[in-house]
Amino acid sequence: NAGVTQTPKFQVLKTGQSMTLQCAQDMNHNSMYWYRQDPGMGLRLIYYSASEGTTDKGEVPNGYNVSRLNKREFSLRLESAAPSQTSVYFCASSQQSHTDTQYFGPGTRLTVL
Amino acid sequence: GIQVEQSPPDLILQEGANSTLRCNFSDSVNNLQWFHQNPWGQLINLFYIPSGTKQNGRLSATTVATERYSLLYISSSQTTDSGVYFCAVNQAGTALIFGKGTTLSVSS
Repeated sequence: NAGVTQTPKFQVLKTGQSMTLQCAQDMNHNSMYWYRQDPGMGLRLIYYSASEGTTDKGEVPNGYNVSRLNKREFSLRLESAAPSQTSVYFCASSQQSHTDTQYFGPGTRLTVL
Repeated sequence: GIQVEQSPPDLILQEGANSTLRCNFSDSVNNLQWFHQNPWGQLINLFYIPSGTKQNGRLSATTVATERYSLLYISSSQTTDSGVYFCAVNQAGTALIFGKGTTLSVSS
């Protein structure tokens, strides 16, 4: 099993450009999450999907949109990137929402110039 | 919202030493997890431990929910233990809240 995979691993954008970060899990988990990690801080939740067909905002959702494409895949979209969105983005999954062990992908390092 | 504080923020050890990392939280929780982020950025779940004690090899964790803290013990540390250790907690139906982490450096 690959676990949680993310693409791309690195990305550089110019201010105002858009992009989609992809995440997939092969553990048949119901819940998936997107976090961002900034220097000196822990992870902060952007959006999550408790189950296929549902999405909810986390702590820092502004400037992002998500799509739970199917049970395996959960994408994060930046419509108009800003320098404040420079960060490392992690996708995670768990069997049940918020109450279970979370498994993380390798992360995407995004720089917005 | 719930606050999570980890101490110490940084820790430098010689290989073979033991260490204790602490996580304090400001309210009762349903879930507490410890994670290790290695120097390459990968996050690995170490323990799911809302209460009680668990052990996995050289690592063990204890959560005293009534006193709102958890401890992570690393015995006979190795260079591969280096990285950042995060504690994360949540209450029923809410998202995990992460502490800022303890950065551990183990030298040979």
